[in-house]
Formats: sequence, structure tokens, C-alpha cells
Amino acid sequence: GQQVQQSPASLVLQEGENAELQCNFSTSLNSMQWFYQRPEGSLVSLFYNPSGTKQSGRLTSTTVIKERRSSLHISSSQITDSGTYLCAPRGMGYKLTFGTGTSLLVDP
Amino acid sequence: DMKVTQMPRYLIKRMGENVLLECGQDMSHETMYWYRQDPGLGLQLIYISYDVDSNSEGDIPKGYRVSRKKREHFSLILDSAKTNQTSVYFCASSLSPISNERLFFGHGTKLSVL
Repeated sequence: GQQVQQSPASLVLQEGENAELQCNFSTSLNSMQWFYQRPEGSLVSLFYNPSGTKQSGRLTSTTVIKERRSSLHISSSQITDSGTYLCAPRGMGYKLTFGTGTSLLVDP
Repeated sequence: DMKVTQMPRYLIKRMGENVLLECGQDMSHETMYWYRQDPGLGLQLIYISYDVDSNSEGDIPKGYRVSRKKREHFSLILDSAKTNQTSVYFCASSLSPISNERLFFGHGTKLSVL
């Protein structure tokens, strides 16, 4: 089945710094979704795209299918960005496979 | 208002008791999911439902069953709960499982089985 590796496992930033979160997957990809999990536990979809680059505000997702990797770039980080970021590639079937996430803490 | 609602938010049960977790969505989504999340393991798929009375096992269905009698409602049932079923359970929905559809999640139910 699909293996998903996210790095780094955790990250501490000073407010205003940028971050690059990585997601590597083992098998062919149909789509990639990125989720943000708030500190209290709720999950929010950030991006869903099969390949290429998508931007939403300070967040940019880039997926390169051939290289089996996706990245999430956070620019000018804010305290409210703190939480866990999960990637979830979907192979040829219906199922999303979730990574274990990158835990981000942004300090003032 | 696009929303997935889970009830209850917190639940404590004794080993051997039956557990019912409820999930509702107001988006007329065909597809609904139940996941559990444990530290170090990420989100694991328990069951997926493609529509009313059309359910399939996910990766870890053992010890669980589901019920979907209305499109907007999907239940997860634990018959005779076990301590290793202590976890956070998430319900999600999407328009369909096939296309690149966004997944909407509920807030989760934290279940403790003592």
C-alpha cells in the first residue's frame, strides 16, 4: 500500500519566518490533499490538487508526481499557524493515506 | 453552511459496553468516512460509505460496524468496546470518492474505553 513520510516531524519558528514542509509517498498518485489540524483537534482542508502548484494566501502547495513528493510552503508565519499539517496522497483507488504530520509551533 | 457534525464530542465507556458514534452532514455528499487517529499512526480509515446502505471496509474495520440509512447520517458502532479502541474518531464527507474532491471533517469524538 501507499507509504507516506512527512518531514520534519516537528518545527519551531519565530513569527515572520518561512517554512517548507515535505511529504514523500511511495506509489503512483491520483491527487494530493493537505490538511491543517488545529491544536484543539479539528481538521481543515487546505489544498487538493493532482499536481503542480497552488497558492492560497501565505500557503503554497507544490506536488511533483514523477518525483513522488509534495511540499507545503508557509510564508511569513504567524502564531495562529501553529498546529499540525497533514498530507494525504490518493492512489488509483478511492482511499486517502495520511501521513503522521508535521507539528508546527510559531513563537512570538 | 457546509458542516459535518459529530456527537458526542467526548465519551467514556467501560470495556464490553456498546458504543454509538453519530455523524451528520448538510451538504448532500454521497460519500462518508470514519477514521480513527492515534499518536504516531496518523488517521486510519475504518469504513467508507458510498451512499445509503452501500458501505465498504477500510484498513481497520475489525471490531466496528457502520450504518447509513439516510444520506446525511452515518453511524459507527462498537459492539462490546475494547480498551484498544480508545482513540479520537473522525467522520468526514466528500461529494464523491472518485474525483479530486475536498474532504470535510467533523470535530472528532474522543472515546475512552476503561
